[in-house]
Order: sequence, then C-alpha cells, then structure tokens
Amino acid sequence: GEDVEQSLFLSVREGDSSVINCTYTDSSSTYLYWYKQEPGAGLQLLTYIFSNMDMKQDQRLTVLLNKKDKHLSLRIADTQTGDSAIYFCAEGGNMLTFGGGTRLMVKP
Amino acid sequence: DGGITQSPKYLFRKEGQNVTLSCEQNLNHDAMYWYRQDPGQGLRLIYYSQIVNDFQKGDIAEGYSVSREKKESFPLTVTSAQKNPTAFYLCASSINGGPNEQFFGPGTRLTVL
Repeated sequence: GEDVEQSLFLSVREGDSSVINCTYTDSSSTYLYWYKQEPGAGLQLLTYIFSNMDMKQDQRLTVLLNKKDKHLSLRIADTQTGDSAIYFCAEGGNMLTFGGGTRLMVKP
Repeated sequence: DGGITQSPKYLFRKEGQNVTLSCEQNLNHDAMYWYRQDPGQGLRLIYYSQIVNDFQKGDIAEGYSVSREKKESFPLTVTSAQKNPTAFYLCASSINGGPNEQFFGPGTRLTVL
C-alpha cells in the first residue's frame, strides 16, 4: 500500500529558511500536497504540485518534487514564529494518504 | 461565508455509549471524508463518501458508521464497538475530479470517560 514518511521535528530560528522533507511510495499520484495544522485546529491546504512539475513557488513557499526519488520538500523562506505548526504532506487521487506530520518550531 | 463546520468542539462520552459527530459543508462539494488523528500521529481515514447515498470504508472503519442522506451533511457515529475512541476527529470535503483539495473542519475532540 501507499506510505508517506516525514521526519518528526524541525527547529529553526526566526528569519532562517525551513525545509521539510517527505518521501512517498505511490508513483501513480497525480498531485502531492502540503497541509498546515495549528494546535487544536483542522488542516489548512498550503499548496499542491502536479506530478509532472519539478518546482512550484508561491510567495514564501517553494515546493520541490523529485519524482525519480519520490521525494517532496517544502521550503519556507524567512520563517516566522507564526509558521510554527505541524506540516503534513499527502499524496493520492480520490483518497489522500497523509504522512505523520513534521512539527516545526520557530525560535525568536 | 462558505465553509465546513463540525460540532461539538469537545465531546465527552461514557464507555458503552454511542455518540454522533456532526459535519456540515456549504461549499457544494460532492465528496466528504472522516479522519481520526491520535496524538503525535498523522491522519487515518475512517470513511469517505463521493456522492449522496454512497459511502466507502477507509482504513479504520471498524466501530464507526456514517450516513450521507444530504450533500451538505456527513455525520459520523462512534459506536460502543470502537475500542479506543478517544481521539481528534476531522471532517473534510472536496470536489470530485482534478486536484483533491480537501477542506477541513475545525475538528471534534472526543474523550471517553
């Protein structure tokens, strides 16, 4: 079955860049997604990338996709304390498979 | 405003009782989903529905039931058969076709006493 893996934790200083990594196994996924979850809340879709793209940039967010290695990353430029949250990558079609989430802590 | 709502925010239940969690959306989305999230873990799919009057089991459907009588509503019942029901429950919806951009509700935290 599909499997999506993420590292559990990332700590950065305010103003630095954050890079959150994800690996997946289902090579047939058409889209891959990044979601953000703040404490006690639902998930918020940040961005998604079509599987035939290598990169997508949206303001401070850059998504890189290495389809050969089945590796997805999310780079947050100029990380702010408000970016502290859990970030989930997900892949799939009608049903999504989510990774376990990476908790990003931003230190002032 | 368009959105997806869940109620209640917090729910307490005694062991052996069934409880129903509400999920409503006014986004005109065809598909709706229920996920369970345990502390420090990702989301696991309980049930999903791609169209009214139809729903499918997800990865962890045992001890849960759903109905989809209206497009806007997808209630989840946690039955007494669910062995470890204490968790954070998230409902989501999406349009069918294209990127599966799922919009999530704020969640319901269920605690079994």
